[in-house]
Amino acid sequence: GEDVEQSLFLSVREGDSSVINCTYTDSSSTYLYWYKQEPGAGLQLLTYIFSNMDMKQDQRLTVLLNKKDKHLSLRIADTQTGDSAIYFCAENTDKLIFGTGTRLQVFP
Amino acid sequence: DAGITQSPRHKVTETGTPVTLRCHQTENHRYMYWYRQDPGHGLRLIHYSYGVKDTDKGEVSDGYSVSRSKTEDFLLTLESATSSQTSVYFCAISQTGQGTGNTIYFGEGSWLTVV
Repeated sequence: GEDVEQSLFLSVREGDSSVINCTYTDSSSTYLYWYKQEPGAGLQLLTYIFSNMDMKQDQRLTVLLNKKDKHLSLRIADTQTGDSAIYFCAENTDKLIFGTGTRLQVFP
Repeated sequence: DAGITQSPRHKVTETGTPVTLRCHQTENHRYMYWYRQDPGHGLRLIHYSYGVKDTDKGEVSDGYSVSRSKTEDFLLTLESATSSQTSVYFCAISQTGQGTGNTIYFGEGSWLTVV
C-alpha cells in the first residue's frame, strides 16, 4: 500500500537547524518532493530528489534519501521565522502521494 | 505565481445543494488536478485531467465530477454537497503527468463549508 508518514509538529529556535523527517512505503517511487505551505496559501515546491540520489543540497536546504529504510529528510540550515509553515513530503510513482504535513514553528 | 486562479475562494453552502469550483490557468499546461486537504490526511487527489475532455479519477472521487472543455479551465462539481465535503480544495497544474518529476504548481485554494 501507499503511505507517507511525517511527524505532525516541530519547534526550533531561530538560527538553529531544522530537520523534518518522512517515511514512505513504495520502493518504486521515482521522485520524492518537499513542499511548503504558508497559512492561507497553496503548496510551493521547495525541492525534489530523484530516487537514484542520496543527497541534494540547495542553498539552506539539504535533502537526504535513505532508500533502504525508505526515509526522506529535509534539513533547513539557519532556520528563520519566515520558514514557519507546514512542510509536506510526497512520493511520486504514477501519482503523487502526500504525507500529512509537519508544522514547523520557529521561535526567537 | 504560476498563473492559477481558483474561484470562489470561500463558499458556504447547504447540504444537498450543487457546488461548482472553477480552476483557470494561463500557463497552457496539459495536466490539471483537483485535490482536497483535510487535517490528518495531507492532500488527496480527487480527479485529474490530461487534456481537453480527458479526465480520470483519483483516490477520493466519490461524490465529485469534473469537466474540462478548454485547456485553461477545469471544473469540479459536487452534485449534492455533504458535510463530509467540507474541506479546502486545491487546483494544480503541470506540463507532464505525475511520475515525471515535472513541477506541479498549486493554486491558492478554495475553502468550502457545507452546513
